[in-house]
Amino acid sequence: EPEVTQTPSHQVTQMGQEVILRCVPISNHLYFYWYRQILGQKVEFLVSFYNNEISEKSEIFDDQFSVERPDGSNFTLKIRSTKLEDSAMYFCASSEDRRPYSNQPQHFGDGTRLSIL
Amino acid sequence: QKEVEQNSGPLSVPEGAIASLNCTYSDRGSQSFFWYRQYSGKSPELIMSIYSNGDKEDGRFTAQLNKASQYVSLLIRDSQPSDSATYLCAVPRGSGGSYIPTFGRGTSLIVHP
Repeated sequence: EPEVTQTPSHQVTQMGQEVILRCVPISNHLYFYWYRQILGQKVEFLVSFYNNEISEKSEIFDDQFSVERPDGSNFTLKIRSTKLEDSAMYFCASSEDRRPYSNQPQHFGDGTRLSIL
Repeated sequence: QKEVEQNSGPLSVPEGAIASLNCTYSDRGSQSFFWYRQYSGKSPELIMSIYSNGDKEDGRFTAQLNKASQYVSLLIRDSQPSDSATYLCAVPRGSGGSYIPTFGRGTSLIVHP
């Protein structure tokens, strides 16, 4: 079964540094998402991406964050000037269709655990 | 603020029992509802979706939706130790054309032998 793959599985970065989290969505999917989950807390939406542009973003997704689809397969989340509170699990997800009635669910990757020191 | 509320638990049930997980939501415009299972340290996995009032059954899982009461539940019959996980309720915002789900904090389920 096709799956969303994320790299690295664990990233340790010094505070203030930039980090890029990488995702390879399922190949025929058109919609891509980033979520984060701080340890012990709920899954929070960051951003959705379609047709090479951001379609929605949350209040968390400020100027510190950016997303890019540099080629036909990768989908990246860049976090600039990392802070301690950016430490979390970051999940990438993809779906064929964004409409909730379409029965095309979001498939999640295994996540990247980001630790800011 | 649109909220999705769940009892954090843990809910502890014996093997073979029915586990009942509950979720309430605040946005009356919400039209679709999802249950995800998340094992510790792993990603969410969609297990049920429901769009209409009433019950929807899939194997040992039954989702129940009551839009008037803004309440959605998940029943797990014949609970197994492998069902031990956190169950996340997710509800896309009903207004403004957004389909992005808002997740609850999740209910931790422990099925003991």
